[in-house]
Amino acid sequence: KAGVTQTPRYLIKTRGQQVTLSCSPISGHRSVSWYQQTPGQGLQFLFEYFSETQRNKGNFPGRFSGRQFSNSRSEMNVSTLELGDSALYLCASSLAQYDTQYFGPGTRLTVL
Amino acid sequence: KQEVTQIPAALSVPEGENLVLNCSFTDSAIYNLQWFRQDPGKGLTSLLLIQSSQREQTSGRLNASLDKSSGRSTLYIAASQPGDSATYLCAPLYSSYKLIFGSGTRLLVRP
Repeated sequence: KAGVTQTPRYLIKTRGQQVTLSCSPISGHRSVSWYQQTPGQGLQFLFEYFSETQRNKGNFPGRFSGRQFSNSRSEMNVSTLELGDSALYLCASSLAQYDTQYFGPGTRLTVL
Repeated sequence: KQEVTQIPAALSVPEGENLVLNCSFTDSAIYNLQWFRQDPGKGLTSLLLIQSSQREQTSGRLNASLDKSSGRSTLYIAASQPGDSATYLCAPLYSSYKLIFGSGTRLLVRP
């Protein structure tokens, strides 16, 4: 069974640009969560989606948005990129809402 | 505020030692708690999940315990190996559907 996949794996952008990251959950998983990991702040929750509905959003500015499609694939978008958005963005999926969460390899975003 | 603390922050041991990694959380209203390992620059690998009603969970050389009322979990690693070198993270899951992560314990097992 394939794991959680994230594309692209690496991205380099400049300040002011926008970026879209994609996450494909494990087949059959309907819950998808996103996390940002930085050396200074550690792992922080961005959003959680279940059946195309955002059920929770972390304490991030409105420049961070996301969505989930009917096939459970999810995307997150960051507009007007800032240097501080440089991070490893991780996606996780789970079968049920309080089940084991499986993480993908992450997308490494560098903002110059 | 929901916070997670992991002690120690770093650990260096010779191969073969039995290890104890500690995790404490401020809000005991958890649904479950997961332990993960993370290799440098990689994603998180799930090691164990303990439901809030459980006291222990075992997988191979790993054993995790949970004391929900006191807000503590412990990960035991038996007979450590160099391949166990990684950062270990604990994360309770709350009703808000989010995992709260600690800063991790960076483990180095020397051959």
